[in-house]
Order: sequence, then C-alpha cells, then structure tokens
Amino acid sequence: QKEVEQNSGPLSVPEGAIASLNCTYSDRGSQSFFWYRQYSGKSPELIMFIYSNGDKEDGRFTAQLNKASQYVSLLIRDSQPSDSATYLCAVHSNYQLIWGAGTKLIIKP
Amino acid sequence: EPEVTQTPSHQVTQMGQEVILRCVPISNHLYFYWYRQILGQKVEFLVSFYNNEISEKSEIFDDQFSVERPDGSNFTLKIRSTKLEDSAMYFCASSEGTGGGEQYFGPGTRLTVT
Repeated sequence: QKEVEQNSGPLSVPEGAIASLNCTYSDRGSQSFFWYRQYSGKSPELIMFIYSNGDKEDGRFTAQLNKASQYVSLLIRDSQPSDSATYLCAVHSNYQLIWGAGTKLIIKP
Repeated sequence: EPEVTQTPSHQVTQMGQEVILRCVPISNHLYFYWYRQILGQKVEFLVSFYNNEISEKSEIFDDQFSVERPDGSNFTLKIRSTKLEDSAMYFCASSEGTGGGEQYFGPGTRLTVT
C-alpha cells in the first residue's frame, strides 16, 4: 500500500515568519512530487512541484526533496494570513496521485 | 488563464438514482482524472483517462462508476444506483502529460445523496 504521510496540525505560525511543512512517502519509485493548497470548501490548487533532489524556489515558496530519505517539504517565507489553508502533499505513482491527509496551517496576525 | 470547469456545482439526489457529473478539462490537456473527497477526509483517486480509455482506476471505482468522453470537450463521471456513502465532493482534474501530472483541478461538484 503506497502511502503519503503528513502531520495533520494545526501548525500555527506568526505572520511574517517561515512556515515549514513536511511529508514522507513510501514508494521509492516515485519521481514527481506536488504541493497543493486547499482552502475550506474549495478544490486543491497546485502551488509547487519538484522532480529532482534539492531545492526549488518560486516566490515565497521553496520545495525541498530528498529521495534517499523519501521526504518532501514546503517552506513558506514571510507568511501571510492568506496562506492559512490546508496544504496537501501528493506523490505521482502509476497515472495517479497518492495524497497525504494534509497539514492545516494557521497564520496568526 | 485556462481552467477546468465542472457542472453542476451541487447535485442532490435520492439513494438509488443515477447521476452524471460533468467536466470540461483544459483544452490542450490529454489526461483526465476524477477524485473524490468525503467531508473532512483526504482526497481519493478514482480514475485516470487517456486516449479514450481508462489508464488506471482505484478500488473505489467499481462497476457502479463509469467515465466517458462523449465529445471533444466534455469528460463525465456516471454514478449508478447512488448510496448514502457516495456523498462527497467530486473533483475533475486534467494534465498536459502524465510524466508527473501537474494536475489542475476544477472547482468540484458537491454530491449529496439523501
């Protein structure tokens, strides 16, 4: 059974600080990794994807991948109240995405 | 910016009835997906579709479910003989390629079975 694990939170971070979200996965053959943001009652929105070991930066977001440790993370710099949402980690395997349960992030003004 | 659209936004049906959920994927995308999310639970993969056939399906996607691309733009999910436990948000997604899937989601259809 292929699994993706995330801490459910909530993770509470002061406005302006760095939020760090983590994810582990079980399928060593996975090559593609995604972070989605989901606001309550809305659909998942793709915010980052990473395919290679190391860091990938896009604006305030940095995705980090360590395939040896089967670990993916998302850093959000200068956190804003609008970043408050559930962050879903998804791992691609055999034409489908395997999803974590998500981490609820709360940014406190 | 191109986006995936879904109709209806909310569907209420009685147990045992059939429903059809509709999706219009992004126009140049070739891979289509259906997911569901029961309230408060994780997103669950149902099925992927490419070149007019199913690529992969989950254990959830049993004989009660079917998918179809009836024309060049629509992608549908049919649920026969609905059950109370089919109540969920159903999301359609599409991607340009399958190599990783940068999958883009529609706004979802909330299905309520009474």
